Amino acid sequence: DGGITQSPKYLFRKEGQNVTLSCEQNLNHDAMYWYRQDPGQGLRLIYYSQIVNDFQKGDIAEGYSVSREKKESFPLTVTSAQKNPTAFYLCASSHGGRTEAFFGQGTRLTVV
Amino acid sequence: KQEVTQIPAALSVPEGENLVLNCSFTDSAIYNLQWFRQDPGKGLTSLLLIQSSQREQTSGRLNASLDKSSGRSTLYIAASQPGDSATYLCAGYSGTYKYIFGTGTRLKVLA
Repeated sequence: DGGITQSPKYLFRKEGQNVTLSCEQNLNHDAMYWYRQDPGQGLRLIYYSQIVNDFQKGDIAEGYSVSREKKESFPLTVTSAQKNPTAFYLCASSHGGRTEAFFGQGTRLTVV
Repeated sequence: KQEVTQIPAALSVPEGENLVLNCSFTDSAIYNLQWFRQDPGKGLTSLLLIQSSQREQTSGRLNASLDKSSGRSTLYIAASQPGDSATYLCAGYSGTYKYIFGTGTRLKVLA
């Protein structure tokens, strides 16, 4: 089955720790995205990548980093510089910017 | 700057009712608009994508329309069922790989 796989489903981070969220897609999509969802707010774009080895900051990139070494993979690292990381993180992909976007099942990150 | 608004924030209806969810956007230079469904604690499931050149799209009991001139899109759900209970999100695409999301309408269909 084609789709987007995010792991882990739940992640706990200690203060000052970096954590990495995994996102893998087998849809052969060029574009991939990371969004953050907080209660009562719309999804906010963290980073996006149009093609392998290229990525761009979204609206709330501070405290996050990404890489795009393979077409299928777009991992997100939440660094210790992100002061309020507790949120639901969603990965998405699309063929291009004007096409249908598909989402993974999300990773819930909690700071303990 | 594109802004997307969804009203109402929450809606509760008895089973069998036909209902309309609204999505408003501020920038008419929109390439497409996509409707999603989100169940609690889950990711987004794509329901319908309407390109700017289209007026509506249909899938089963769902029908979505797009009126760029008025900055509105509606999602029509026919003969609602308890299984339709979820949060419905719309997202407008205005270019530069950015989809702008509304905050959603939380729908509850009562059996």
